Amino acid sequence: QVVLTQSPSASASLGASVKLTCTLSSGHSSYDIAWHQQQPEKGPRYLMKLRSDGSHTKGDGIPERFSGSSSGAERYLIISSLQSEDEADYYCQTWGTGIWVFGGGTKLSV
Amino acid sequence: EVQLLESGGGLVQRGGSLRLSCVASGFTFSSFAMSWVRRAPGKGLEWVSGFSGSTDNTNYADSVKGRFTISRDNSKNTLYLQMNNLRVEDTAVYFCAKGSSSSTRGYNFDYWGQGALVTVSS
Repeated sequence: QVVLTQSPSASASLGASVKLTCTLSSGHSSYDIAWHQQQPEKGPRYLMKLRSDGSHTKGDGIPERFSGSSSGAERYLIISSLQSEDEADYYCQTWGTGIWVFGGGTKLSV
Repeated sequence: EVQLLESGGGLVQRGGSLRLSCVASGFTFSSFAMSWVRRAPGKGLEWVSGFSGSTDNTNYADSVKGRFTISRDNSKNTLYLQMNNLRVEDTAVYFCAKGSSSSTRGYNFDYWGQGALVTVSS
């Protein structure tokens, strides 16, 4: 079964950029994933679907400063020009036949 | 505009039952798969149950299999989660999530509700 691994925490300064990583388990490096953001006391928000070739499809209204890239089994979420509202938990998610899997989440402090 | 609105959460004793509902609007509900996802206090997101392909194709996490039942009423644009024999560890905020398709091979979630809090006391 596929497992997604994320660092528990990350931090960056206002106006800076940050790159969050989601690592797919061995044998699953071709999987597409999705990134989701959950701000405190809110429901999650879909950011983008990120394919193994690095192409991505963003959700409605997601700013251009959110982007994604891929390298092997790693999937990245890049946030540029960090704003205070970007302080949130970020989850990667993947799927298979009859199963949906989340990474443990990364808490981003700005 | 896609909207998902959960209801039915509350406080229940261990071993009790609750039924969550999620009313959807802004898209053709019958054309998309739906799932339930939860977040326990201090923990991350955990997929609970979902449809894939037809409405007969239901899937469950091992942690809830045999106790929870997912269903939907396309005429009412509503998703349900019947939760029986609740355990303290089922305490969480439960979110309904819209699938990006209805593929049997799975899908990402592209819209989320605000959540319903379920608290199971001992």
